[in-house]
Amino acid sequence: AQTVTQSQPEMSVQEAETVTLSCTYDTSENNYYLFWYKQPPSRQMILVIRQEAYKQQNATENRFSVNFQKAAKSFSLKISDSQLGDTAMYFCAFIRPQGGSEKLVFGKGTKLTVNP
Amino acid sequence: DGGITQSPKYLFRKEGQNVTLSCEQNLNHDAMYWYRQDPGQGLRLIYYSQIVNDFQKGDIAEGYSVSREKKESFPLTVTSAQKNPTAFYLCASSSRKTNEKLFFGSGTQLSVL
Repeated sequence: AQTVTQSQPEMSVQEAETVTLSCTYDTSENNYYLFWYKQPPSRQMILVIRQEAYKQQNATENRFSVNFQKAAKSFSLKISDSQLGDTAMYFCAFIRPQGGSEKLVFGKGTKLTVNP
Repeated sequence: DGGITQSPKYLFRKEGQNVTLSCEQNLNHDAMYWYRQDPGQGLRLIYYSQIVNDFQKGDIAEGYSVSREKKESFPLTVTSAQKNPTAFYLCASSSRKTNEKLFFGSGTQLSVL
């Protein structure tokens, strides 16, 4: 079974600084997708960034980028120029497509606080 | 606008009562999911459905039931057998055309009276 581990329950960063959230996962599959979702106090789940396992290039979305290390099964999220609106729970997630069990598995989350 | 609609936003259950949470999507997605979120915790999968008239148990299906009679709808019933139903419930959908990205509803907070 696939598992996703986020080892940092809480983190804080000063506004305008950079922070990295860690995520590791366990799978024997070669083809899969990885995601970072953000859940602000409104509790709406918002997709931050997505990475296909077959792509070696790390995904980037504006201030958000990932460091995808497939061999190490690591998928960290870097937030540059942190903003107050980045304060939220961040969840790392894994899905193995077309396997007959296409369910998204989530980590337990990291609570990020951006301080002014 | 396309999206996922969950209702109600807040729901209260009395002891021994069954309650049903609604989830409707107009994204033409084949797959739909129900997740449970407890305070400070991640999301745990209750049930999911890849196609109409078919669904599978997730990790915590006991005390819950679902149906998938229409592509657009995937209601979740929290039965009296679920002894600790207080939680935030999230519905989601996905399509292979979106590379498995899940679209989420805004959630239902269920509390026990």
